[in-house]
Amino acid sequence: EDQVTQSPEALRLQEGESSSLNCSYTVSGLRGLFWYRQDPGKGPEFLFTLYSAGEEKEKERLKATLTKKESFLHITAPKPEDSATYLCAVPTGQNFVFGPGTRLSVLP
Amino acid sequence: DAGITQSPRYKITETGRQVTLMCHQTWSHSYMFWYRQDLGHGLRLIYYSAAADITDKGEVPDGYVVSRSKTENFPLTLESATRSQTSVYFCASSLGVRTDTQYFGPGTRLTVL
Repeated sequence: EDQVTQSPEALRLQEGESSSLNCSYTVSGLRGLFWYRQDPGKGPEFLFTLYSAGEEKEKERLKATLTKKESFLHITAPKPEDSATYLCAVPTGQNFVFGPGTRLSVLP
Repeated sequence: DAGITQSPRYKITETGRQVTLMCHQTWSHSYMFWYRQDLGHGLRLIYYSAAADITDKGEVPDGYVVSRSKTENFPLTLESATRSQTSVYFCASSLGVRTDTQYFGPGTRLTVL
């Protein structure tokens, strides 16, 4: 069964304290892995798409990487405005499967 | 420059009533999607549409009906609402193929009493 899991479920960081979020997937024939950011009361906002192992993409303090079984979202020197839930997703068969998300809180 | 909009943003209804959630996009994207988001389940796909008059089921289609007579609109109807359909509903669209990046609307919070 195609599955997407994320860890940790929640993460609290001090401002400036770098860390990584994990997205693990079990799908056959990966056709892209997507990262989204979701703020409370809003729809998910697209961040990155990764298509092949070894690929990396960056945006401000965020860097996404991809291996054959998982993806990492690295957050360097986070700021309070980076607080949000981060979702990853993969297209599988007839569905687009989302992970449960990691709720990130960055404290000033 | 509205992108993708949903209405209403909030809705309270009673068990057994019919409810329609609206979704409108201004990008002329081919694909449109409906998801529900619940604690403990994340986002789950209800229905999607590849083009006008072409729709298909997702992971959790039971109790829902969709239509797409125009490219820009993709309404979701709960024919007889149940309490288990209390959720936040998101509409999304993507440009070309189904695996393209999806862009989400702001969501509709639906409460079924």
